[in-house]
Amino acid sequence: GAVVSQHPSWVICKSGTSVKIECRSLDFQATTMFWYRQFPKQSLMLMATSNEGSKATYEQGVEKDKFLINHASLTLSTLTVTSAHPEDSSFYICSARTGLAYNEQFFGPGTRLTVL
Amino acid sequence: QKEVEQNSGPLSVPEGAIASLNCTYSDRGSQSFFWYRQYSGKSPELIMFIYSNGDKEDGRFTAQLNKASQYVSLLIRDSQPSDSATYLCAVNSPGTYKYIFGTGTRLKVLA
Repeated sequence: GAVVSQHPSWVICKSGTSVKIECRSLDFQATTMFWYRQFPKQSLMLMATSNEGSKATYEQGVEKDKFLINHASLTLSTLTVTSAHPEDSSFYICSARTGLAYNEQFFGPGTRLTVL
Repeated sequence: QKEVEQNSGPLSVPEGAIASLNCTYSDRGSQSFFWYRQYSGKSPELIMFIYSNGDKEDGRFTAQLNKASQYVSLLIRDSQPSDSATYLCAVNSPGTYKYIFGTGTRLKVLA
């Protein structure tokens, strides 16, 4: 149980284009999902918390107009990187909270974004 | 700034030995503590979590928590080359569902 998928697993795009990444909880309902970014040899940095049916909460320093998050259902959250630039190239990982007592988060496999 | 600190390593241990990974945290209000393993190029996978002082064992893994010292550790017994990875300590941010991650400790198990 507690399987989280992401799509696509990797994407290459041109500078200035927008990229959408999907995160799905496959066998449970996730009222809360999280989006992280990880640069090489660094730890995970939380970008935003996504709650079903409400606006995402962004961490300090994360541009909400650049990283659009939508959590339209209990099993799907999307992250859209708008007008991507090479500095946005990174490993984007989502996680979902199961709602069980200890708030475990299970991670999707990640999406590697390369902006040319 | 609430922090979670880990030694970045690498920590090298011979195959079959016990690997000991340590983590300290600054927020005394934290209640839940998680250990994740991350292989290069992959996303983190949950190894175990702990929320009470003392030890918690799961197979070859033992998590230890000391809230008074704000310290959590992970012991890996009978280390295998396949255990070579980066181990991330995560601590819940009190009053939220968010985690604060440490920078991770890179473990190398030598065959």
